[in-house]
Amino acid sequence: AQKVTQAQTEISVVEKEDVTLDCVYETRDTTYYLFWYKQPPSGELVFLIRRNSFDEQNEISGRYSWNFQKSTSSFNFTITASQVVDSAVYFCALSEAQGAGSYQLTFGKGTKLSVIP
Amino acid sequence: DAGVIQSPRHEVTEMGQEVTLRCKPISGHDYLFWYRQTMMRGLELLIYFNNNVPIDDSGMPEDRFSAKMPNASFSTLKIQPSEPRDSAVYFCASSSRDRVYEQYFGPGTRLTVT
Repeated sequence: AQKVTQAQTEISVVEKEDVTLDCVYETRDTTYYLFWYKQPPSGELVFLIRRNSFDEQNEISGRYSWNFQKSTSSFNFTITASQVVDSAVYFCALSEAQGAGSYQLTFGKGTKLSVIP
Repeated sequence: DAGVIQSPRHEVTEMGQEVTLRCKPISGHDYLFWYRQTMMRGLELLIYFNNNVPIDDSGMPEDRFSAKMPNASFSTLKIQPSEPRDSAVYFCASSSRDRVYEQYFGPGTRLTVT
């Protein structure tokens, strides 16, 4: 069974601070995918990144960076120099590649980030 | 390009009534997913379709829920009869055959059953 744990329920930071959102996952598969989604106050879910289990390279996109470590089953997300517009709920998700029939996303409970001006 | 379109955005209904939620996936996408989001359970996959065929409906809570995809550009999720515990935000998402794992979500339908 697959599971995603986001231990941080809520985080508040002051604008321009860096913040890291933690994600720990469990899976029996050797091939899987990890994701981060953003849910701003407007409610829609916005796809941020996908990582496959064979690629442990960290990725940077502007102020966003992701640290994937298979040894600790973690896929953490860092926002550098946070801005008020980053305020949202962030979800980590996992999908096991179980063949052509399974593309389910298992989501963590989410971390609500509040960036205070 | 238009994203995933869902209607209505908000629905308030009385217990026992039938509710139909609608979704139009991104054009060209082969996969369509229905999710439910509640405070207690978070985001849960209800059912997904591939080329209009239901592949996995193990997440559908009970027989009161049904989903159809009559063609590649339209899907419905129906609850009959509705109950207060069905109150949630229902999301539809779609993805392409080449990037199945990257699901693009609609704005959601907030359902309130009184």
